[in-house]
Amino acid sequence: GAGVSQSPRYKVAKRGQDVALRCDPISGHVSLFWYQQALGQGPEFLTYFQNEAQLDKSGLPSDRFFAERPEGSVSTLKIQRTQQEDSAVYLCASSRNIAQETQYFGPGTRLLVL
Amino acid sequence: QKEVEQDPGPLSVPEGAIVSLNCTYSNSAFQYFMWYRQYSRKGPELLMYTYSSGNKEDGRFTAQVDKSSKYISLFIRDSQPSDSATYLCATSGGYNKLIFGAGTRLAVHP
Repeated sequence: GAGVSQSPRYKVAKRGQDVALRCDPISGHVSLFWYQQALGQGPEFLTYFQNEAQLDKSGLPSDRFFAERPEGSVSTLKIQRTQQEDSAVYLCASSRNIAQETQYFGPGTRLLVL
Repeated sequence: QKEVEQDPGPLSVPEGAIVSLNCTYSNSAFQYFMWYRQYSRKGPELLMYTYSSGNKEDGRFTAQVDKSSKYISLFIRDSQPSDSATYLCATSGGYNKLIFGAGTRLAVHP
């Protein structure tokens, strides 16, 4: 009965490094979301996948952020040339289908850019 | 102006108190409203979900939505130390993407 898992749980990067964050959604879940949560703030939407199709990437802060879900299950969020303002918790969530309102969140990846 | 406004607190109450958490939102088109609970260093977990206006009760928790005033509330009765967490209100804006408030930190002390 695995929930949403994310790896790594913690990542420290030097400014300018590229990072890749992984999300394993609940098996069979069609919808997958990425959110960014800054310290003391609520999560903010980054991007949305329905199966392998990225239907909404309006929340990605810049073209340094890229997400993919090539086989419609595991997703990777990549941040190129990290900046200090990228430091945040990156949350992944999945839901059973597009009409399912309940999103199940993973524990997040805490990214610190020095 | 943010689409969902929430007082970040912190809120500190004694065990057994009734807790009232509130949010306001700006877009009258929003129909789905949720409360998530987030423990430290964990992901948010869904606590309550309501559609349109009205009340919903689940054990010690009651969620209220007043669409006329664009106001959503969560009440916790007989609060327990295990309720200490950050409570996030959220609404759904297309493709089910969630729009969250800033979260209210709640501490229930014995």
